[in-house]
Amino acid sequence: AQRVTQPEKLLSVFKGAPVELKCNYSYSGSPELFWYVQYSRQRLQLLLRHISRESIKGFTADLNKGETSFHLKKPFAQEEDSAMYYCALSREYGNKLVFGAGTILRVKS
Amino acid sequence: GAGVSQSPRYKVAKRGQDVALRCDPISGHVSLFWYQQALGQGPEFLTYFQNEAQLDKSGLPSDRFFAERPEGSVSTLKIQRTQQEDSAVYLCASSRLIQGAGNTIYFGEGSWLTVV
Repeated sequence: AQRVTQPEKLLSVFKGAPVELKCNYSYSGSPELFWYVQYSRQRLQLLLRHISRESIKGFTADLNKGETSFHLKKPFAQEEDSAMYYCALSREYGNKLVFGAGTILRVKS
Repeated sequence: GAGVSQSPRYKVAKRGQDVALRCDPISGHVSLFWYQQALGQGPEFLTYFQNEAQLDKSGLPSDRFFAERPEGSVSTLKIQRTQQEDSAVYLCASSRLIQGAGNTIYFGEGSWLTVV
């Protein structure tokens, strides 16, 4: 069965501190991994996907198949990063997403 | 339109009442999804359409839930005889492609259903 685990409900950091949002998954095949973000009063939107291997808004995420993890990282948090972050997976070349429960990131000034 | 549009944004239904939730996907998008998001949880897949064909309805929780997309554009999610456990945000999403590396899924703002 496909499963995504985000162990932290809430992560609170100070502005300028590094951020790591954890995501672990279970899937027997080759998954595609995503991070979605939902800012206050806005719709859910794609932040980044592992196959793009790009940095969006300073965030990066590396797929570690050995540890079945896809942690989201940013070296210096900004106040505007405060949001709900969801990790999600789909099967390779699929489109149905399985989401984690989400982590609230709160960046304090 | 500029994005996926859903209506109503908020719905309060009495237990046992039928509700219908509408989704207008981005024009030209082939794929359409419905997700259910309970309070404090991530979205959970309900059903998927490719144009007018409902190819996957494995996530529909009971036969009280029914979805259609008769002309391959607008979709309606209908819930019959609503129960309190149906209270959730119902998210619609669409994408231009069926699948693949370049496929981005766009979400609507959701329809918030409260069953009292």
